[in-house]
Amino acid sequence: EAQVTQNPRYLITVTGKKLTVTCSQNMNHEYMSWYRQDPGLGLRQIYYSMNVEVTDKGDVPEGYKVSRKEKRNFPLILESPSPNQTSLYFCASRGLGTVSYEQYFGPGTRLTVT
Amino acid sequence: ELKVEQNPLFLSMQEGKNYTIYCNYSTTSDRLYWYRQDPGKSLESLFVLLSNGAVKQEGRLMASLDTKARLSTLHITAAVHDLSATYFCAGGLGDSGYALNFGKGTSLLVTP
Repeated sequence: EAQVTQNPRYLITVTGKKLTVTCSQNMNHEYMSWYRQDPGLGLRQIYYSMNVEVTDKGDVPEGYKVSRKEKRNFPLILESPSPNQTSLYFCASRGLGTVSYEQYFGPGTRLTVT
Repeated sequence: ELKVEQNPLFLSMQEGKNYTIYCNYSTTSDRLYWYRQDPGKSLESLFVLLSNGAVKQEGRLMASLDTKARLSTLHITAAVHDLSATYFCAGGLGDSGYALNFGKGTSLLVTP
């Protein structure tokens, strides 16, 4: 089954404690990205990657890092989380040049930073 | 920058009625997406519209795209309770624009 998986699904942490949210896709997609969703703001892109070792900032990258060492994985790293990073995070992927341009979203990770 | 505006943001409608959600975007967009999100869930793809005049239908939902007016619509026909959800439109830009710019979403409640 084609899917994007994220772990953990729920996370409560304290300010300043480094954390990583993993994202993996099994569709051999080149493009992967991270979004955060906040009430009243819709979804905003944090970082994206066009392929292995190729990453770039989205609209709200401050406080986040990413890496793309393997095609299937695109972890999101919060080196020193702060309460304003409390949010619902989604990973997404799609193939390059796909006729349908379909983009697949993971199940989401709800993060609370206290 | 591509800006996407949806209206209304909240919509309460009776079962059996018809209604339209509007999605305006600020610059040329190569493609327009509609997603559904149930509370606490991920985004479910409904439609991807790729060209001017595109119309797609699935069940009680029909989406259309007018690139000249920079407008997409999601029309709901004879609403049922199961359609209660939040609906997002999103635009994608150009060759390098795999990123999606989302509207703020329309929260739809269908009541008996």
